[in-house]
Amino acid sequence: AQTVTQSQPEMSVQEAETVTLSCTYDTSESDYYLFWYKQPPSRQMILVIRQEAYKQQNATENRFSVNFQKAAKSFSLKISDSQLGDAAMYFCAYRSGDTLAGSYQLTFGKGTKLSVIP
Amino acid sequence: ETGVTQTPRHLVMGMTNKKSLKCEQHLGHNAMYWYKQSAKKPLELMFVYSLEERVENNSVPSRFSPECPNSSHLFLHLHTLQPEDSALYLCASSPGGGTTEDNEQFFGPGTRLTVL
Repeated sequence: AQTVTQSQPEMSVQEAETVTLSCTYDTSESDYYLFWYKQPPSRQMILVIRQEAYKQQNATENRFSVNFQKAAKSFSLKISDSQLGDAAMYFCAYRSGDTLAGSYQLTFGKGTKLSVIP
Repeated sequence: ETGVTQTPRHLVMGMTNKKSLKCEQHLGHNAMYWYKQSAKKPLELMFVYSLEERVENNSVPSRFSPECPNSSHLFLHLHTLQPEDSALYLCASSPGGGTTEDNEQFFGPGTRLTVL
């Protein structure tokens, strides 16, 4: 079974600075997908960024980028120019690439609570 | 209404009550999910429906009973719950195809359930 580990329960960052949230995962599969989700205090979970394991290029979405290290099974999220609205819980998630067995299940980490200091 | 909506947003019930949580998606998706989010634990997938058929049931106690009458609506019927069932229950939907984008999940705001 796959597991996702987020070793930082809480992080803080000064507004306009950069912060990196870590995520490691354990899998025996070679084809899979990784996601970062954000859950603000309003509780609506939204997708921040996704990465396909077969792509070597790191995904970027505006101020959000990932450092995907497949051999190390690491998938960290970098937030640049942090804004007050970035304060939220961030969840790392894994999905199997096997469309027959497990294409529906997302395995989540426990989350990292990010605070942004004005 | 747009996206994924859930009602009620908050629910307090006794252990002998019967209640239902409702989820509705306005995205034209084919797959819907129930998750349980407890404090300091990862999100736990409970049920998955694809085209109104249950495709996953992750060893959830029978006191939780899902229902998916059509691809836009998903219910979670609750009866004789325990205090440890208190949690945030999240609904999600996805297009349900074979690509990464097809399986991106869109979440509702959740129902905060308290069992006394």
